[in-house]
Amino acid sequence: QKEVEQDPGPLSVPEGAIVSLNCTYSNSAFQYFMWYRQYSRKGPELLMYTYSSGNKEDGRFTAQVDKSSKYISLFIRDSQPSDSATYLCAMRDSSASKIIFGSGTRLSIRP
Amino acid sequence: EPEVTQTPSHQVTQMGQEVILRCVPISNHLYFYWYRQILGQKVEFLVSFYNNEISEKSEIFDDQFSVERPDGSNFTLKIRSTKLEDSAMYFCASRSGSENTIYFGEGSWLTVV
Repeated sequence: QKEVEQDPGPLSVPEGAIVSLNCTYSNSAFQYFMWYRQYSRKGPELLMYTYSSGNKEDGRFTAQVDKSSKYISLFIRDSQPSDSATYLCAMRDSSASKIIFGSGTRLSIRP
Repeated sequence: EPEVTQTPSHQVTQMGQEVILRCVPISNHLYFYWYRQILGQKVEFLVSFYNNEISEKSEIFDDQFSVERPDGSNFTLKIRSTKLEDSAMYFCASRSGSENTIYFGEGSWLTVV
C-alpha cells in the first residue's frame, strides 16, 4: 500500500463549480498536512497547511483533515480557469524532516 | 516575499558527466531539501540537510549524489556521473525552524543525453 494515495485525474469542471480534491494515507503518525499547486514545469507552490484534524479556510480554498479516516480534502469554491493546475497533497510526521507527496491531481477549469 | 532560488533553470549534460545544481534557500531557514520529479511522475524526496549534515535520505540518493552547504547561503546537489535516468526536474526547498511548511524553488531541469 502506498503511503499517500491521490487520484491522478484528470478532473475537468466548468468555471464557477466547486472542486473537491482528496488524498488518503496509511501512516497514522502523519500530523502535518499540506496542499501545493503546481503549474507545468514549475515548482510546487504552497496553498494550505493544516496541523492534525480539522478545517482551515483561506479565501476560496478550504482544507479538511479527518485523521480517524486518514483522509484529507481540498475544496475550491467559485473555480476559475487560472486554478487549472496539478494539485499535490503532502504530509509529514513529527519525527521526520521530509514531506511525502501524493502523485497529484490534474485539474482543468473550463471557461 | 522571500523565495528559494535555483540555478541553472535548465542544463543539458552528457552521460557520465558531473553536474552541480545550486540553490539559495530562504535566509534564516534551517532545514534544506532536494526533491526530484521525473516528467509526468510524482515529486520524490531525495535528501534533507540540517545543522551541516544529512538528516535523512531516500534510496534514490545513492553514492552518485552528494550535497553541500559551502557557505552561509548556498546549498548544492552534485551528481557525480550522470545517467540517462537522472533526467528530471530537481527542486530545492527550505523550512524554518519554527514552521512546519516547506517552500520550494522553481526547479532545475536536467536533461542527460
